[in-house]
Amino acid sequence: DAKTTQPTSMDCAEGRAANLPCNHSTISGNEYVYWYRQIHSQGPQYIIHGLKNNETNEMASLIITEDRKSSTLILPHATLRDTAVYYCIVRVEEYGNKLVFGAGTILRVKS
Amino acid sequence: DTAVSQTPKYLVTQMGNDKSIKCEQNLGHDTMYWYKQDSKKFLKIMFSYNNKELIINETVPNRFSPKSPDKAHLNLHINSLELGDSAVYFCASRSSGNTIYFGEGSWLTVV
Repeated sequence: DAKTTQPTSMDCAEGRAANLPCNHSTISGNEYVYWYRQIHSQGPQYIIHGLKNNETNEMASLIITEDRKSSTLILPHATLRDTAVYYCIVRVEEYGNKLVFGAGTILRVKS
Repeated sequence: DTAVSQTPKYLVTQMGNDKSIKCEQNLGHDTMYWYKQDSKKFLKIMFSYNNKELIINETVPNRFSPKSPDKAHLNLHINSLELGDSAVYFCASRSSGNTIYFGEGSWLTVV
């Protein structure tokens, strides 16, 4: 699985959009980009994933660059409850596939 | 209803003891996992089972023995507990759409 690079931490004002970047310059054609988050003392939570098209769901939007070497997770209106560690993971869809977690980005939403 | 449930949530035990953590998922998924999150907060996969068969074993000491009586359950038994086994253990299951759902974690403290 390709390696990802994320900033260690970011701050965001409550009510504003939170844009979390991720670099995955060695991504290959059949690897998906996944985003999970872990709120303190809870299990990781799936947010969104995509291959090459931009994706949106009720939680967030995922913007993937045309060359697929980077992506941005957008939380459109961050709330205090969005404070968490956000993990960007690239993964091949295969039998028995696993998630390999990096250090992630600590997002602090402040009032 | 909790989709992936683990018991116990907290466990404090002495070195050398044997303990088990149980996991059940009511999502109808075929694949389940155990992850370990240590004091440095890195999440690492330990095992994966598909339909009661072991498919991933990530170089975990053989004191750790997963058992899957049926595809809805994946239990983790740990023999001869050591101080370094103190961690949070997360159970997870994977949907046919490759989204992985995590439990709330089991906090193990070995004293």
